[in-house]
Amino acid sequence: SYVLTQPPSESVAPGKTARITCGGDNIGSKSVHWYQQKPGQAPVLVVYDDSDRPSGIPERFSGSNSGNTATLTISRVEAGDEADYYCQVWDSSSDHIYVFGSGTKVTVL
Amino acid sequence: EVQLVETGGGLIQPGGSLRLSCAASGFSVSDNYMNWVRQAPGKGLEWVSVIYIGGNTDYADSVKGRFTISRDKSKSTLYLQMNSLRAEDTAVYYCARSPRRPDNAFDIWGQGTTVTVSS
Repeated sequence: SYVLTQPPSESVAPGKTARITCGGDNIGSKSVHWYQQKPGQAPVLVVYDDSDRPSGIPERFSGSNSGNTATLTISRVEAGDEADYYCQVWDSSSDHIYVFGSGTKVTVL
Repeated sequence: EVQLVETGGGLIQPGGSLRLSCAASGFSVSDNYMNWVRQAPGKGLEWVSVIYIGGNTDYADSVKGRFTISRDKSKSTLYLQMNSLRAEDTAVYYCARSPRRPDNAFDIWGQGTTVTVSS
């Protein structure tokens, strides 16, 4: 089955840039989506189709995808960005057709 | 307003059955790919099942043969029938919409309903 690998944690100071990676075999050929989840809340879509933002999501959130790595970048990090972030792809050949990464906990110092 | 609201969670003994419901407002469950995603305590997100626009269904191997996804267009509601429940099925269950294409992102999520399987 298809596997997405994320670092378990990332720490960043306010105002700095956080980069969260999502590794997968030839992930550049897939559409990658990113979700933010705060404690006790449902996930929220922050980036879709590698680099597009839903309405209402700040421009500080951006994405890229190439080769074997997709990246979510959070610029000018704020305290309110502290959350778990998950990448996700659709892989019709996998036993889990919709595959999620293991998640990255972003801590704002 | 476009939203999803799940109900039906609770405490159930191993081997028991439970049916979750997900009421949609602002859109039709039959015109979108509708999913169930779960999250065990302290763990990440796990996709469980999808019902396609055409009515076909797919399941994660971990629930195949035990869970059944369905929808009622007239009630604009998605369901998940869960049988032969195990302790490892304990989780918050979310319904989520993937619009127009199966590889689209899950753009709308419900608030979740908690299922606890324990004796």
